[in-house]
Amino acid sequence: GNSVTQMEGPVTLSEEAFLTINCTYTATGYPSLFWYVQYPGEGLQLLLKATKADDKGSNKGFEATYRKETTSFHLEKGSVQVSDSAVYFCALVSGGYNKLIFGAGTRLAVHP
Amino acid sequence: DTAVSQTPKYLVTQMGNDKSIKCEQNLGHDTMYWYKQDSKKFLKIMFSYNNKELIINETVPNRFSPKSPDKAHLNLHINSLELGDSAVYFCASSSSRGTRTYEQYFGPGTRLTVT
Repeated sequence: GNSVTQMEGPVTLSEEAFLTINCTYTATGYPSLFWYVQYPGEGLQLLLKATKADDKGSNKGFEATYRKETTSFHLEKGSVQVSDSAVYFCALVSGGYNKLIFGAGTRLAVHP
Repeated sequence: DTAVSQTPKYLVTQMGNDKSIKCEQNLGHDTMYWYKQDSKKFLKIMFSYNNKELIINETVPNRFSPKSPDKAHLNLHINSLELGDSAVYFCASSSSRGTRTYEQYFGPGTRLTVT
């Protein structure tokens, strides 16, 4: 079946550090890939997405590239801020009915 | 101008009670979803409705019953609540028209605590 595996957290960084959160997936067909972010006490917000191989999704300084050969969609940001502290979820949709399959989430804590 | 709203935001109740959570979206979407987030933040889909028709029904106890009175509303009724039902429940919506990838927009969540 379809699944998403994310690196375990928490990830703790100092402000302006480089961020990578690893995400790999298993899916039949050609999934669409997403990163969602959940700030403390809030719902999920779509951060970025990619719908086909080699697509790069980007938003708010975050980037992720759809790598079919390694079945990966790693999230990166060159310089994190304290306001980026949140839980980040990698997810995919494959097949019909638009069913989102989420990874376990990775908590990011950024310190001044 | 809230896109996806849920009520209540917090719900504390005792085991054995019956409760409902309501969801409304004003985005003009035709598909709505319920997700459950457990204490470890793991998110899993429960149900989905498209144009008031149930299209996703995951392995969920039949104590949970979704109802969609119209395309803009999706409610979740839970009978005989158990301790294990304590979680945050998220509603989401999307459009099935247009591009293949249908972004889902999430509500703020309802934190259910069963004592």
